[in-house]
Amino acid sequence: EAGVTQSPTHLIKTRGQQATLRCSPISGHTSVYWYQQALGLGLQFLLWYDEGEERNRGNFPPRFSGRQFPNYSSELNVNALELEDSALYLCASSLLTQSTVNTEAFFGQGTRLTVV
Amino acid sequence: SQQGEEDPQALSIQEGENATMNCSYKTSINNLQWYRQNSGRGLVHLILIRSNEREKHSGRLRVTLDTSKKSSSLLITASRAADTASYFCATAKYGNKLVFGAGTILRVKS
Repeated sequence: EAGVTQSPTHLIKTRGQQATLRCSPISGHTSVYWYQQALGLGLQFLLWYDEGEERNRGNFPPRFSGRQFPNYSSELNVNALELEDSALYLCASSLLTQSTVNTEAFFGQGTRLTVV
Repeated sequence: SQQGEEDPQALSIQEGENATMNCSYKTSINNLQWYRQNSGRGLVHLILIRSNEREKHSGRLRVTLDTSKKSSSLLITASRAADTASYFCATAKYGNKLVFGAGTILRVKS
């Protein structure tokens, strides 16, 4: 069974541009989470999508946005890129139902975004 | 911002020794999870312990949870060079909106 896949692996953008990162969850998983791992700031929760809806959002500005498609894959968009957005962006998926509140998240290998 | 702290920040041991990492958190939780990260890539899930559990084992891993002290520990027994990685604890109150600790860098020397 394929794990969580993210693309691209690496992305280099210029300040002010937009970046689009993609994530395919494990088959059957309806929840997708995005995390940012920036140097010195650790792993921080960005966004949570489930069944196509945004369920929760971390403490990030509105230029970080995303969506979840009917096949549960997800896209993270970062507009007006700033140098500080350089980080590893990790996507995770899990199954969330009333009876699976305590289930682990499975992570992809990440997209390393560099803003120059 | 990080919910909790992990200590030590870095740990260097010889192959065959045990490694213990500690994690503290601040708010109530549904579960606490431990992850491993190799060379700044994806996170590998190691173990999940529910808030009503006190200890859990998985192979060479042993995790304890003390909700009264809001702390957890991860013990890796008989460490191997391949265990060299960063280890993170993460707490979940709802779904997998995880709040991560700062992590412990473990180096196992052969």
